[in-house]
Amino acid sequence: EAQVTQNPRYLITVTGKKLTVTCSQNMNHEYMSWYRQDPGLGLRQIYYSMNVEVTDKGDVPEGYKVSRKEKRNFPLILESPSPNQTSLYFCASSLRWRGGETQYFGPGTRLLVL
Amino acid sequence: AQTVTQSQPEMSVQEAETVTLSCTYDTSESDYYLFWYKQPPSRQMILVIRQEAYKQQNATENRFSVNFQKAAKSFSLKISDSQLGDAAMYFCAWLNSGGSNYKLTFGKGTLLTVNP
Repeated sequence: EAQVTQNPRYLITVTGKKLTVTCSQNMNHEYMSWYRQDPGLGLRQIYYSMNVEVTDKGDVPEGYKVSRKEKRNFPLILESPSPNQTSLYFCASSLRWRGGETQYFGPGTRLLVL
Repeated sequence: AQTVTQSQPEMSVQEAETVTLSCTYDTSESDYYLFWYKQPPSRQMILVIRQEAYKQQNATENRFSVNFQKAAKSFSLKISDSQLGDAAMYFCAWLNSGGSNYKLTFGKGTLLTVNP
């Protein structure tokens, strides 16, 4: 089944404890992206990747890191999480980064930073 | 920068009736794409419908259709014969045609309630 998977789905952590949220897609998609969703703000892009080893900042990149060493994986790293990073996180992918290709979303990761 | 505005934070509709959700956007680009995504209580983001800006014909998907007015920068979603399963948060989104900073720009969402 073609899908985008994220792990973990739920995470409670404490301020300053490094964490990684994994994202994997099995559709051979070039483009991958991370968004965060906060009440009243919709979804905002954190980072994106147009292909292996090609990543760039989105609208709200502060406090996050990403890497794209393999085409299928795009982990989101929080080196020192803070309470303002409590949010619902989505990974998305599309076949290409042009032509209006539909982005398919993972199931989301709900993060609570205490 | 592109912006997407959904002016209705909440809407309600009676089962089997029709409801229209509003979306306006601001862009200086001529080539772009528009989407409606549905987010049910499970929080999964589900694509409802997609529209290419260069197409004058409005997109339709079963009970879902759009009214795309390019000059007015308006992209409303019409849900016909509403069902209980249509209850969800609906997001309008704009996507540029490609290049750097390729991203979906989302509105803040409209919460749709379907009354039995």
